[in-house]
Order: sequence, then structure tokens, then C-alpha cells
Amino acid sequence: ETGVTQTPRHLVMGMTNKKSLKCEQHLGHNAMYWYKQSAKKPLELMFVYNFKEQTENNSVPSRFSPECPNSSHLFLHLHTLQPEDSALYLCASSQTMAETQYFGPGTRLLVL
Amino acid sequence: LAKTTQPISMDSYEGQEVNITCSHNNIATNDYITWYQQFPSQGPRFIIQGYKTKVTNEVASLFIPADRKSSTLSLPRVSLSDTAVYYCLVGDKDSGNTPLVFGKGTRLSVIA
Repeated sequence: ETGVTQTPRHLVMGMTNKKSLKCEQHLGHNAMYWYKQSAKKPLELMFVYNFKEQTENNSVPSRFSPECPNSSHLFLHLHTLQPEDSALYLCASSQTMAETQYFGPGTRLLVL
Repeated sequence: LAKTTQPISMDSYEGQEVNITCSHNNIATNDYITWYQQFPSQGPRFIIQGYKTKVTNEVASLFIPADRKSSTLSLPRVSLSDTAVYYCLVGDKDSGNTPLVFGKGTRLSVIA
């Protein structure tokens, strides 16, 4: 499926680096999500945007900073990350906040 | 939000039918039941959704008893490629203001 794309697919960064993850959805959806999934662990919802407005921030550390410039694009800005932040970061979108979510392929992040 | 309870893991041999049951005792009148499948290092993908009785598509069947306090995802004649984590979610898809919440899911291992 190419409805939700994420770049980069893989990222290695040092703890002092600044990087950004990008998500784009081509489905005309109004809600977008960032999830974190560590190895063999459940999905953790990080942020939710609805019509470009952030509606949820599930106690995510400030070293993760989301940005939603429009309903089709979602960014996750990363700075001064820790090794424990290494995980698969998944973006999803849905028509409305309660409807079926469509996920992107994810960004595999490794923090050294 | 209605909470769901699923078995943590299940094993099955190839060619068998697999039934994964999800309990949602506090399901609300307007809640739908949705199942997702997640392969390793990929985002979850929608499998099936239902409100009551039985729903069938090309991938699976979903059985929902009259009291709707549980549901069963049925995978006919599984193959090795059905090895994945299966998530059961409940929520009011028409509410437009509350995202579906992923639990821990059921890890299905299909053995040759």
C-alpha cells in the first residue's frame, strides 16, 4: 500500500544529533498519529492530530516534537535522543479520529 | 473506552483453523469491533470490522454473540505467513473524536 508513506525507512543517529521523520498520507484523511513500538512490545500512541490540531500527547518527552503543517503531512522532530528511544516509529492516518487507521511502513530508528 | 482482553499468544499448525477470542465486557452501544494484523517490523493493517452477528471477508471471519461482550476472529486454514500479532479494538467509529486504542494483541505463531 502507498496510502501512507514514511521517510526515512531507517535512521541511525547519535545522541546529540537533530533529525526529523516525515509522514505523508494520500488518502484525504483528517487525523494523523505517531506511534512508537520497541522490540517485542505493544504499540505506544505518542501524538494525535485532528484537522492539524494536536489532540493528544501521551506524556511524551520533549525531545520528541511533532509538527503537522497540513492534514496530509506529519513530522516528528528528534533531538538529544537516548539509546532507549531506539524503536520502530509508525505513522497512521484515519478519516476521523475513531475510524480505521492506515499505517505507514515505519521508520526503524537506532540511537547510538 | 471499552477495554479488551486477548490471549497473549497462540500456536497453531499449518492448515488448521485458528480462533482468537477477545473479551470486551464494557462495550458501549455504539462501539464497533475492529481487528488488525501486524507482521514484524511493519505497521498494523486492518483485517475486519463488525458490529454484531457474523462478518466474513476474503481474509477472515468475525463472530460476535448477541451480548457483544466478546468476539472471535477466525482464520481458516492458516499458513506460515499468518504468523503475526492480532489486535482487537473497540470504539465508536462514528464519534469522530476518540481514537481507537491498541492493546497488547495476540501473538500467533504458525508452525509447519
